[in-house]
Amino acid sequence: AQTVTQSQPEMSVQEAETVTLSCTYDTSESNYYLFWYKQPPSRQMILVIRQEAYKQQNATENRFSVNFQKAAKSFSLKISDSQLGDTAMYFCAFKREYSGYALNFGKGTSLLVTP
Amino acid sequence: EPEVTQTPSHQVTQMGQEVILRCVPISNHLYFYWYRQILGQKVEFLVSFYNNEISEKSEIFDDQFSVERPDGSNFTLKIRSTKLEDSAMYFCASSDQQAMTDYGYTFGSGTRLTVV
Repeated sequence: AQTVTQSQPEMSVQEAETVTLSCTYDTSESNYYLFWYKQPPSRQMILVIRQEAYKQQNATENRFSVNFQKAAKSFSLKISDSQLGDTAMYFCAFKREYSGYALNFGKGTSLLVTP
Repeated sequence: EPEVTQTPSHQVTQMGQEVILRCVPISNHLYFYWYRQILGQKVEFLVSFYNNEISEKSEIFDDQFSVERPDGSNFTLKIRSTKLEDSAMYFCASSDQQAMTDYGYTFGSGTRLTVV
């Protein structure tokens, strides 16, 4: 079974600064999908960014980018120019490619952006 | 932008009672899911549903749980004989074939179930 580990339960960053959230995973498969979801206090799960394992290029969505290291099985999220609205719980998630529909989530990192 | 709608937003029920959590997936989506998040813990997969049948389920999804698509728009999760440990936020999600891999899923806002 795939496991997703987020080693930072809580992080804090000042507004306009950059922060990196770490995620590692364990799988024997060669292709798969990785996601970062944001869960603000409203509790809704919002997709932030995704990455296909066979694509070498790191995904970027505006201020959000990932550092995907396939050999190291690492998938970190970088948030640039942090904003107060980025305060949320961030979950890393893994999905197998060909079989199974389930997203396997990590335990989450609580990010607080301070003025 | 299309949304997944869940009702109610908060449900309180007595231990031993049955509850039905309701979801309206995005209209052209064909895959439906339920996830659970116990307070302070990670989001856990319960079940996926496609073509009017369960396509995958986790160990959590035992005989206490069932899902149904009673009509063309609703997708329900029934929990029989609720226990205190069923208290959690329940998320519905949906996707189409392409979205499943390209975008992950679209989640609803969740139903907070409190069993007393």
